[in-house]
Amino acid sequence: GQQLNQSPQSMFIQEGEDVSMNCTSSSIFNTWLWYKQEPGEGPVLLIALYKAGELTSNGRLTAQFGITRKDSFLNISASIPSDVGIYFCAGDNAGGTSYGKLTFGQGTILTVHP
Amino acid sequence: EAQVTQNPRYLITVTGKKLTVTCSQNMNHEYMSWYRQDPGLGLRQIYYSMNVEVTDKGDVPEGYKVSRKEKRNFPLILESPSPNQTSLYFCASSLSRRGITGELFFGEGSRLTVL
Repeated sequence: GQQLNQSPQSMFIQEGEDVSMNCTSSSIFNTWLWYKQEPGEGPVLLIALYKAGELTSNGRLTAQFGITRKDSFLNISASIPSDVGIYFCAGDNAGGTSYGKLTFGQGTILTVHP
Repeated sequence: EAQVTQNPRYLITVTGKKLTVTCSQNMNHEYMSWYRQDPGLGLRQIYYSMNVEVTDKGDVPEGYKVSRKEKRNFPLILESPSPNQTSLYFCASSLSRRGITGELFFGEGSRLTVL
């Protein structure tokens, strides 16, 4: 199946720092999504991107859908301790040949030191 | 409260003993899916269902079965569990708005250990 490469695998940062993570694919997607998973819970949708080139913000989070449709990035500004968790990117091919199949990246583990 | 409910949350079993992990959603979502999460591998899709009586294989379907007899329920069946199925399992559902199935609501997860 399709594969997503997410980097970095883990990040250790100080509170207040900005964070950037990205996801690349060998094939194109129609939709890119970013999820956050906190310890002991299921992932929660943070941002969904529907058009190539789209830049979307949700509070301190900003995500972009790459113009080639093969990549996406997520930025977190001014990190706080509650940003700790695992962040996943995901690609969706709604309407394509893989309709209904959602591919996730390996995840980025974020640790924020107060 | 809108939610996806999985049971059991934790289970330790032995090789070969059939088990079912139930999943129920109360949001009238058409799309449902199962994932397994393993360290370093992220979330991998096992099976998905676009609607009642319609199911399809994801990326790692071997050793699993599913059924979708009702819209709200999507059980995951392990007919003969093996140790390599030890994992954290998530059920998720989506309204499938405009055909986009990736806007998922996840359950809290079921941690399965097969000895």
